[in-house]
Order: sequence, then structure tokens, then C-alpha cells
Amino acid sequence: KAGVTQTPRYLIKTRGQQVTLSCSPISGHRSVSWYQQTPGQGLQFLFEYFSETQRNKGNFPGRFSGRQFSNSRSEMNVSTLELGDSALYLCASSLGAGRHQETQYFGPGTRLLVL
Amino acid sequence: GDSVTQMEGPVTLSEEAFLTINCTYTATGYPSLFWYVQYPGEGLQLLLKATKADDKGSNKGFEATYRKETTSFHLEKGSVQVSDSAVYFCALSSPNQAGTALIFGKGTTLSVSS
Repeated sequence: KAGVTQTPRYLIKTRGQQVTLSCSPISGHRSVSWYQQTPGQGLQFLFEYFSETQRNKGNFPGRFSGRQFSNSRSEMNVSTLELGDSALYLCASSLGAGRHQETQYFGPGTRLLVL
Repeated sequence: GDSVTQMEGPVTLSEEAFLTINCTYTATGYPSLFWYVQYPGEGLQLLLKATKADDKGSNKGFEATYRKETTSFHLEKGSVQVSDSAVYFCALSSPNQAGTALIFGKGTTLSVSS
């Protein structure tokens, strides 16, 4: 079974631009979560989607948004990019029952560099 | 709020040495606990997990036991290999949330030399 895939793998943007990242979950998984990884802040939860609805949200500004499609694929968008948004953005999928015991399976990440 | 604290790295060991990476947590109720590993340039891979007190997770020679009394989930391996060199993350998922969001520790870098 194919793993979680993320596109693109690398991105370079300039301040003020916006960016959209894409994630395809493992087949059969209905929940998708997004995380930001930076050297300073470590791994931080952005949001989780299930059945096209945001189920949970981390403590990030409104410039960060996401959505999920009917096939469970997800996108996240960052508007008005800032230098501090440079990070590895990780997508994870899980079956979707919403139980804390569920395992999340991570993709390889999209590395975003903001200049 | 909930949090995870890991020992600071880097941890440098020789091949076949014993490994312990300490992890403690603060949470309300009984969270699920996870260890993930990240190799250079890759995403996170689940190493093991435990979902209730006294559970022991194990995989590829790594073990960790969910200790409610000490709120700990220390990672151990009896004999490390060069291929174990990576960054290790301890994480929890709280039962008091909607969904399965993970709270991670800062990560511990392990370097094993031959």
C-alpha cells in the first residue's frame, strides 16, 4: 500500500507570496493532519481534517488554512508568507476514528524556504 | 496544557552500546504515547507506541514502557547500530481533544559510530 505522499517536495517563495501544499493520504485513511517543523519551535500541530471538516486546530495565525476533499486528499495554504514560515511541513494520515490511540503515518514533507 | 519533555541531545554512542532516551510527559487523563524516528531528509516513522499504563511498546529492538506513576516513556535499546543514527521524538495524544493531534518533544539526536 502506498504511503502518504506530499507535493511539491521543495519550494522557494518570497515574502508576501502565498503557497499551497498538497497531501495524499494512505488509501482508506480518512483523517489528515498537518504539522510544521522548525529548528527553533520543533514539531507543532497545525490542523486536522476528517470528512472534509476541520476537526482540530493548533495555535497558528489565520494565514494558515487548509481543506480536505471528498477523496480525503488535503491541501494547506499559507498566505502573505513571512520569513519565519520557512519550515518543513509534514502531513500525516490516520484511519479517522478520532481516537487518541490511532497511529498517524507521516509523509516525507514539503520543505518551504521563504526569501 | 499537555507537554512532552525529552532529554537534550546529541547522544553519541559506540556501536553495540546500550541506549536510553528519557521522555516525561504532562497530561490530564491517560494519553497515548509514541516514539517516532526521523532519518535525514525524511518524514517521521512510527517506532513504537503504548496506549495505556504499563503497556510496553517494542519494535526493531527498541522498547518503551508507559509508566503512569512517573509519567515517563523512556526509549531503550540493548545494542545500537550505526543505522540507528537519527532523531528520535517522543509524543503524546490526549484523550481530551477532538481528534488525534500529537504533541511532540523537542527531539533527541542519536549518533552511533562504528
